[in-house]
Amino acid sequence: KQEVTQIPAALSVPEGENLVLNCSFTDSAIYNLQWFRQDPGKGLTSLLLIQSSQREQTSGRLNASLDKSSGRSTLYIAASQPGDSATYLCAVRRNYGQNFVFGPGTRLSVLP
Amino acid sequence: DAMVIQNPRYQVTQFGKPVTLSCSQTLNHNVMYWYQQKSSQAPKLLFHYYDKDFNNEADTPDNFQSRRPNTSFCFLDIRSPGLGDAAMYLCATSRDGVAGTDTQYFGPGTRLTVL
Repeated sequence: KQEVTQIPAALSVPEGENLVLNCSFTDSAIYNLQWFRQDPGKGLTSLLLIQSSQREQTSGRLNASLDKSSGRSTLYIAASQPGDSATYLCAVRRNYGQNFVFGPGTRLSVLP
Repeated sequence: DAMVIQNPRYQVTQFGKPVTLSCSQTLNHNVMYWYQQKSSQAPKLLFHYYDKDFNNEADTPDNFQSRRPNTSFCFLDIRSPGLGDAAMYLCATSRDGVAGTDTQYFGPGTRLTVL
């Protein structure tokens, strides 16, 4: 059974810092991996989607990498801003299926 | 422009009183999902529809049912809500889940309170 973990559970950084969020999954047979952002009391917003054949994806200040063999993904946020404060979740999609398995998220606070 | 809409945003019900949550989408996606998310936890998939085909997760309680009358709408019915069912319920859509290449689009969620 696929399990997804995220470290750290919470992170607080001063504005302007570069930071890395980690996601680990136990079964490397994944179809793709997706990073989401969730603001308090709201739904999820997709940030980046990485196919199993890809190593990384970039969007603006965000860069996500995928190492399938080791069961890891990282989300790199450059020059963090207070508006980046949210919970960041990763989710993996199993092969031959349509179901995403989510990690518990990392709650990020960027202090002005 | 809202793409995945959930109504209501907040729902209060009494213990044991049936409740229905609604989701609609303007994306014409063929896959729709319902997730349950409790405080500070990962969203948990309850079930999904691929077109009209219903797919239930093995550990989804029988108390939870779903209907998808057409492409645009999907409903979550909780037949006899218990205190443990209080949570945020998230609806999501994706295009052609078999290809697995497309992202999931989430609605804003419905927060359910059970008194």
